[in-house]
Amino acid sequence: KNEVEQSPQNLTAQEGEFITINCSYSVGISALHWLQQHPGGGIVSLFMLSSGKKKHGRLIATINIQEKHSSLHITASHPRDSAVYICAVRHMDSNYQLIWGAGTKLIIKP
Amino acid sequence: NAGVTQTPKFQVLKTGQSMTLQCAQDMNHEYMSWYRQDPGMGLRLIHYSVGAGITDQGEVPNGYNVSRSTTEDFPLRLLSAAPSQTSVYFCASRYRPSGANVLTFGAGSRLTVL
Repeated sequence: KNEVEQSPQNLTAQEGEFITINCSYSVGISALHWLQQHPGGGIVSLFMLSSGKKKHGRLIATINIQEKHSSLHITASHPRDSAVYICAVRHMDSNYQLIWGAGTKLIIKP
Repeated sequence: NAGVTQTPKFQVLKTGQSMTLQCAQDMNHEYMSWYRQDPGMGLRLIHYSVGAGITDQGEVPNGYNVSRSTTEDFPLRLLSAAPSQTSVYFCASRYRPSGANVLTFGAGSRLTVL
């Protein structure tokens, strides 16, 4: 079983819908990252969380440390949000290395 | 600031050839790393460095060498390319190895080994 599991693997939605992508992990962590990879391949860091909730524009990330679960929400989704969203966690025992999820491919149709 | 610059963007090699993927950052980041990304899999760490003169192996180091002679540069060398090394390679850096700072990625290098 992977230490970081994302769901769903693929998600197709209509423009304007509220999107939720989930990340569950099985190890103790010191931080969780959400990243976005565009169809062109570039990877951009969206959030780093160790507790609670963060918001940036239409993106909201939450984390529940006790439940070992994080969600990434997109409000008022737009076709330009189409990308692969990746969750990665920093293991509590390793400050340097990240454990990566396989990604969620999101397609927003106009 | 240019951020993280990777070259080349595309490369085709024959089995057994060697090459170097270049990575440079101008943000004075201490931590630099190389990942490979294969279809259907998460990013896998090849090698990383927490400062000039310090390198360490990641999850999949075999067949790759790195060095960190300066803070800015972290080249990845393929010693004798194999088809299994066909992948997209990303260099990433962050300000400090630990603590509350995010990774900055290069644009990626797509390598095909025939």
